[in-house]
Amino acid sequence: AQSVTQLGSHVSVSEGALVLLRCNYSSSVPPYLFWYVQYPNQGLQLLLKYTSAATLVKGINGFEAEFKKSETSFHLTKPSAHMSDAAEYFCAVSARGGGFKTIFGAGTRLFVKA
Amino acid sequence: SQTIHQWPATLVQPVGSPLSLECTVEGTSNPNLYWYRQAAGRGLQLLFYSVGIGQISSEVPQNLSASRPQDRQFILSSKKLLLSDSGFYLCAWSLSGGSTDTQYFGPGTRLTVL
Repeated sequence: AQSVTQLGSHVSVSEGALVLLRCNYSSSVPPYLFWYVQYPNQGLQLLLKYTSAATLVKGINGFEAEFKKSETSFHLTKPSAHMSDAAEYFCAVSARGGGFKTIFGAGTRLFVKA
Repeated sequence: SQTIHQWPATLVQPVGSPLSLECTVEGTSNPNLYWYRQAAGRGLQLLFYSVGIGQISSEVPQNLSASRPQDRQFILSSKKLLLSDSGFYLCAWSLSGGSTDTQYFGPGTRLTVL
């Protein structure tokens, strides 16, 4: 069985500050891990994914995430927040070869203050 | 390239009325297809997934149903809507037998049941 927990339903940062969105997962098999972003009234877009290659994964819009097996974490970071980063972010986990079920976290809404 | 369409974009329906939401995918064959519901302030709830024509798996027992009459068409239906059916409905697809399980989302349908 798999699960994912996103710590903090809301995160607020100032423009130019570090963005850190936390995600912890649970999986009985080696996982695939994802971060998706959702802008208001739109579908989700893939930001980045971990599939067992490099543990530091770089995505679009300057985001990156590091897979830490010992901590069962996959936190999302961006060195400098931009106003356009304001959105909801979802961490997700699926099982390699598990096919069809991706488990999504509850989401973290990121607010960026000018 | 692949694209995914959903319609309608918004819908307001009275309690007890029927529902039909449609999703179509272009540019790929035999995709896995998914219906999710996103309630206000909550994460994504997987409702149905399909690995082929006529093959539907239900994740949550409810008054909704899904059908896949064609390879790239996925329909979400209800005979009688409930107030609790209000939400943002997202359709998604992934590659069949895909090794990384990335899902690609449509723009969503905002359903309000009054």
